[in-house]
Amino acid sequence: QTVVTQEPSLTVSPGGTVTLTCASSTGAVTSGYYPNWFQQKPGQAPRALIYSTSNKHSWTPARFSGSLLGGKAALTLSGVQPEDEADYYCLVYHGGGQGNWVFGGGTKLTVL
Amino acid sequence: EVQLVQSGAEVKKPGESLRISCQTSGYSFTTYWIGWVRQTPGKGLEWVGIISPSDSNTKYSPSFQGLVIISVDKSISTAYLQWSSLEASDTAMYYCVKSASSSWYLGSDYWGQGTLVTVSA
Repeated sequence: QTVVTQEPSLTVSPGGTVTLTCASSTGAVTSGYYPNWFQQKPGQAPRALIYSTSNKHSWTPARFSGSLLGGKAALTLSGVQPEDEADYYCLVYHGGGQGNWVFGGGTKLTVL
Repeated sequence: EVQLVQSGAEVKKPGESLRISCQTSGYSFTTYWIGWVRQTPGKGLEWVGIISPSDSNTKYSPSFQGLVIISVDKSISTAYLQWSSLEASDTAMYYCVKSASSSWYLGSDYWGQGTLVTVSA
């Protein structure tokens, strides 16, 4: 069974920069895995931030960016704001033409 | 404005059937795929499956294949997730999501508000 791994928790200072990563047990994450990133705050539905590695939605703040880094998908927040404190999940496609999307376990980002 | 509005919370007993809905508006329903995601405290987010409203082509996560059915009613721009026999382990929050493009594998953009399903004797 495919496992997607994220850092369980990260802490960043306001105004700082932090990178969250997303690794697959099947090997290097490439653009063909079409990684997505989501933000979830307590009591709310997840909100999409990034799709297909690096594409932003119209509502995605400019300080969020997606990329591939060292065989992993990455989400970088530059100039972190207090309101960025949330859980972040990646979602990667593992091919086969079926619904084989797998979520990571999530990263709890604390802004302190 | 794109909206995905899900049906209300459900409390069911093991063995009962259930269908929850996701009513969409603000975009061309048949152009974009609709998926379902499960969230539990213990297992986090899990992808259930996705359907093309134009032809009902459906793709299920291997973990959910045969356990649920995803369907749509194009006449009312609504997608459904249904169970024929619920188990306690189906207790979770379920979200519907819209694909970000007509190519379903690229990812999703809009999410519904979630439907809490509780299965308990």
